[in-house]
Amino acid sequence: KNQVEQSPQSLIILEGKNCTLQCNYTVSPFSNLRWYKQDTGRGPVSLTIMTFSENTKSNGRYTATLDADTKQSSLHITASQLSDSASYICVVSAGTYKYIFGTGTRLKVLA
Amino acid sequence: DAGVIQSPRHEVTEMGQEVTLRCKPISGHNSLFWYRQTMMRGLELLIYFNNNVPIDDSGMPEDRFSAKMPNASFSTLKIQPSEPRDSAVYFCASSFEAGLAEETQYFGPGTRLLVL
Repeated sequence: KNQVEQSPQSLIILEGKNCTLQCNYTVSPFSNLRWYKQDTGRGPVSLTIMTFSENTKSNGRYTATLDADTKQSSLHITASQLSDSASYICVVSAGTYKYIFGTGTRLKVLA
Repeated sequence: DAGVIQSPRHEVTEMGQEVTLRCKPISGHNSLFWYRQTMMRGLELLIYFNNNVPIDDSGMPEDRFSAKMPNASFSTLKIQPSEPRDSAVYFCASSFEAGLAEETQYFGPGTRLLVL
């Protein structure tokens, strides 16, 4: 069964600190993996998209990694800001038009 | 561009009533997606259109749900009759050339539906 699991479910950190969110998947066939940021009351916004051959991709203070062998991805946030408080959703594409969503990690950054 | 536009932003209705959600995709995008998001199940893809044609509706929960895309700039998701378990946030998203590995979906602000 295709599944995407994210951990932790929620996380609280202090402003300025780094954090890493995890995404483990059992999806076949694998097409690509995406990380989305979703602010409260808004739609998700794409942060990164990685294909099978990519193992690192950055978008500002966000860096995603992908290990296709272990079927794991992580999203690292550097020097967190209050505006990073959001839910982060990992999505794996199992071929064309097939998207398997994780349930997300809720991040809260405190001043 | 104003981005993906959805209406209404909030809808409260009684069980059994018909609900119609509307979406205007980003101009030039040829793919449109309808999603549902709940606390319990997270985001779920309901249906996907490419060039106004429904490609995959396997995510539509049951016959009470239907979606149309009469032209490139408008789509509707209809629930008839609505039930309390349909309460969720419904998102519309659009992209250019969905299916490509690097395609990015742009989400609308969502419609928060509450069925009493």
